[in-house]
Amino acid sequence: GESVGLHLPTLSVQEGDNSIINCAYSNSASDYFIWYKQESGKGPQFIIDIRSNMDKRQGQRVTVLLNKTVKHLSLQIAATQPGDSAVYFCAETYGGATNKLIFGTGTLLAVQP
Amino acid sequence: EAGVTQSPTHLIKTRGQQVTLRCSPISGHTSVYWYQQALGLGLQFLLWYDEGEERNRGNFPPRFSGRQFPNYSSELNVNALELEDSALYLCASSKRSGGRGYEQYFGPGTRLTVT
Repeated sequence: GESVGLHLPTLSVQEGDNSIINCAYSNSASDYFIWYKQESGKGPQFIIDIRSNMDKRQGQRVTVLLNKTVKHLSLQIAATQPGDSAVYFCAETYGGATNKLIFGTGTLLAVQP
Repeated sequence: EAGVTQSPTHLIKTRGQQVTLRCSPISGHTSVYWYQQALGLGLQFLLWYDEGEERNRGNFPPRFSGRQFPNYSSELNVNALELEDSALYLCASSKRSGGRGYEQYFGPGTRLTVT
């Protein structure tokens, strides 16, 4: 079925280090990608997005990289903090007025103090 | 600005029963989306409503249905509950800008347990 997969289900990092969360997508027609953060007991929270005509976009402490050649997406978090501990999902959507987001299964980021 | 709200927070039903979940979008948002998040799995798209109409549907059986009201709030109905329907049901809302409401804002979800 439709899916966006993640390479690493769990990522453990030390506080202050940089984190990189990876995501592979399957549909080469996907033209918009989003990273969400989901803390325990809460709904997903929008972090950052990127369109397919870009290969990099930066936010506050976060950077998303898109490699369309290999259909790969990554989220980089600088100076990871304990509050960054959560499950991170990548999501994709593609042409047409579907507004349908296809989510990956998620990566758990565990920040060690 | 109030976020997306959902009710109830938790719900326990028995197999075969019916359930209705409710969602109120962010003020000014016309699109409402429903997702199912089963334990250990990612979010699976269920339904998209905009301006009172169903715009798209995920790969779920017809016993999953819903509607959107004139005030843009929405209900998700699940009939003939099965054990595998146990999940967190998330509602999201967005503006419908340019025909594609990209930024979807999520509510806290309703945890449904079917026994």
